[in-house]
Amino acid sequence: AQKVTQAQTEISVVEKEDVTLDCVYETRDTTYYLFWYKQPPSGELVFLIRRNSFDEQNEISGRYSWNFQKSTSSFNFTITASQVVDSAVYFCALSSGSARQLTFGSGTQLTVLP
Amino acid sequence: EPEVTQTPSHQVTQMGQEVILRCVPISNHLYFYWYRQILGQKVEFLVSFYNNEISEKSEIFDDQFSVERPDGSNFTLKIRSTKLEDSAMYFCASGTPGQWSLGYTFGSGTRLTVV
Repeated sequence: AQKVTQAQTEISVVEKEDVTLDCVYETRDTTYYLFWYKQPPSGELVFLIRRNSFDEQNEISGRYSWNFQKSTSSFNFTITASQVVDSAVYFCALSSGSARQLTFGSGTQLTVLP
Repeated sequence: EPEVTQTPSHQVTQMGQEVILRCVPISNHLYFYWYRQILGQKVEFLVSFYNNEISEKSEIFDDQFSVERPDGSNFTLKIRSTKLEDSAMYFCASGTPGQWSLGYTFGSGTRLTVV
């Protein structure tokens, strides 16, 4: 069985602060994929990043960075110098198996205050 | 940029009625999915569809649900006899081998309200 845990239900920061969203996953598969999606108030799901289980390199994309650590089964997401437009629900998700369906975490509501 | 299109964006239906939610996946994608998100909760997998048949389904996807790809472009989710607890946002998604690094493309969702 697969499981994704996002222990932080809500986080509130002031603009320009850095914020890290935690994600811990469980799977018995040796090949799997990890994702982060953003869900703004408008409701759509916006793809941010995908990592496979064989690639533990951290990744940076602008103000976003991701820290993948297999030893702790974690895939954390950091936003540097947060902006009000970053306010959204962020979902971590895990994919494995032949059909590659996603198992989502419960999400973290991030509020960035001006 | 290619999009997954879902219609309608909102649907209100009476309990016990049948509803069909429609999706047009990205044309060269081979895997199609339906997910559900009850308000304020996480996104849950319902069903995946590949090669014109269901490849995986969750416990939520019971006999009240069915999927179809009737004409090679549309991908539909039918709920035969809706219940109040079926009220949710339903997302369609598609993906294809060789492009998994791009993630799955989700549609903007259909908000279903059962009254």
